[in-house]
Amino acid sequence: DTAVSQTPKYLVTQMGNDKSIKCEQNLGHDTMYWYKQDSKKFLKIMFSYNNKELIINETVPNRFSPKSPDKAHLNLHINSLELGDSAVYFCASSRMKGRLNTEAFFGQGTRLTVV
Amino acid sequence: ILNVEQSPQSLHVQEGDSTNFTCSFPSSNFYALHWYRWETAKSPEALFVMTLNGDEKKKGRISATLNTKEGYSYLYIKGSQPEDSATYLCAFTHSSNSGYALNFGKGTSLLVTP
Repeated sequence: DTAVSQTPKYLVTQMGNDKSIKCEQNLGHDTMYWYKQDSKKFLKIMFSYNNKELIINETVPNRFSPKSPDKAHLNLHINSLELGDSAVYFCASSRMKGRLNTEAFFGQGTRLTVV
Repeated sequence: ILNVEQSPQSLHVQEGDSTNFTCSFPSSNFYALHWYRWETAKSPEALFVMTLNGDEKKKGRISATLNTKEGYSYLYIKGSQPEDSATYLCAFTHSSNSGYALNFGKGTSLLVTP
């Protein structure tokens, strides 16, 4: 069973469209994240949720809206897609022990290409 | 986003060589330091999570040390094998985001040739 699964794995879409990427984890973790991998393979935090509550929003354009219907899911919806949104998006989850994040488990990534 | 520096950016060693990389991070209000191994076309996988100054962790031929007072961590690989070829990422958590975000460095890309 995949611990953190993202769908779709590949997404090609036109500028201006709205699209969603889904993420589910079956590890019972209480914290979930979205990371963006830029062209230089650098992983940047976008959002962090704990128990369905938004904790971190790292200056991401408001065209990006995360939704956490329950602790096991964190979906990413993107409105009015732009060419610069093309990247690989990784979902991850971890468990909080007090103030400490245990190791993060990553999904396989979603390669978004905006044309 | 808080600055994490990793060096070297890339490294090419022969099978059997031992090697090490450095991760530098802000030392104040530190929570934890993570190391991840990221193979091409796969997802990052956790190697270690360290929290205390002087922590040392070991997993097989890979080990890591932590100095929170001066803000650095070393990752060591003993007797490198071709299957060790990957990008090694470090990330730290900090009180400014209550530990809820991993701030990643850009990684060290290791290539081990037979």
